[in-house]
Amino acid sequence: TQLLEQSPQFLSIQEGENLTVYCNSSSVFSSLQWYRQEPGEGPVLLVTVVTGGEVKKLKRLTFQFGDARKDSSLHITAAQPGDTGLYLCAGGDQAGTALIFGKGTTLSVSS
Amino acid sequence: GAGVSQSPSNKVTEKGKDVELRCDPISGHTALYWYRQSLGQGLEFLIYFQGNSAPDKSGLPSDRFSAERTGGSVSTLTIQRTQQEDSAVYLCASTEPGQGRYGYTFGSGTRLTVV
Repeated sequence: TQLLEQSPQFLSIQEGENLTVYCNSSSVFSSLQWYRQEPGEGPVLLVTVVTGGEVKKLKRLTFQFGDARKDSSLHITAAQPGDTGLYLCAGGDQAGTALIFGKGTTLSVSS
Repeated sequence: GAGVSQSPSNKVTEKGKDVELRCDPISGHTALYWYRQSLGQGLEFLIYFQGNSAPDKSGLPSDRFSAERTGGSVSTLTIQRTQQEDSAVYLCASTEPGQGRYGYTFGSGTRLTVV
């Protein structure tokens, strides 16, 4: 059974701080996605990475896919209150089966 | 439509009653997924429809859960004889054919509370 472990589970920081969220598995995935979810809403896709070692940047967010395609990280530079939310990673299988989701990291950024 | 639409947004039901949750995917999205999100448990896969193929029901937790998709568009998730442990947010997502590994578009979910 494929599993995705996210850490930390909770993160509470001050505006302006940097942070990194991790997503790890013992399984290889063909793609890795990151979503952000706000209360009362569904998850919204932030990025998809498909190549081992791939790095993608989205403004202050940097996403990296591990060389072996088993892990990923999300780094936020100079966090802002608007970054507050639940961050979920999800792994995709080449066979096109449903995505497997981690349990998420709840981020709270206070001003 | 412009996005994935789910209804109702909230549902409170008594234990033992049946409930139906509806999902209207993005037009042209032939792949449709149902997930359940419980507090602290992340997203749990329930069922996946792809076009006219037989659905992948491997995530349904019991035979009280069933889903159908009519005309390749709207889907209904039915929970019979609801139990308190069924309380959760039920999320629906859709994608273009073969694009699931690149990302889902989710609806806002239905929050089900069984009292």
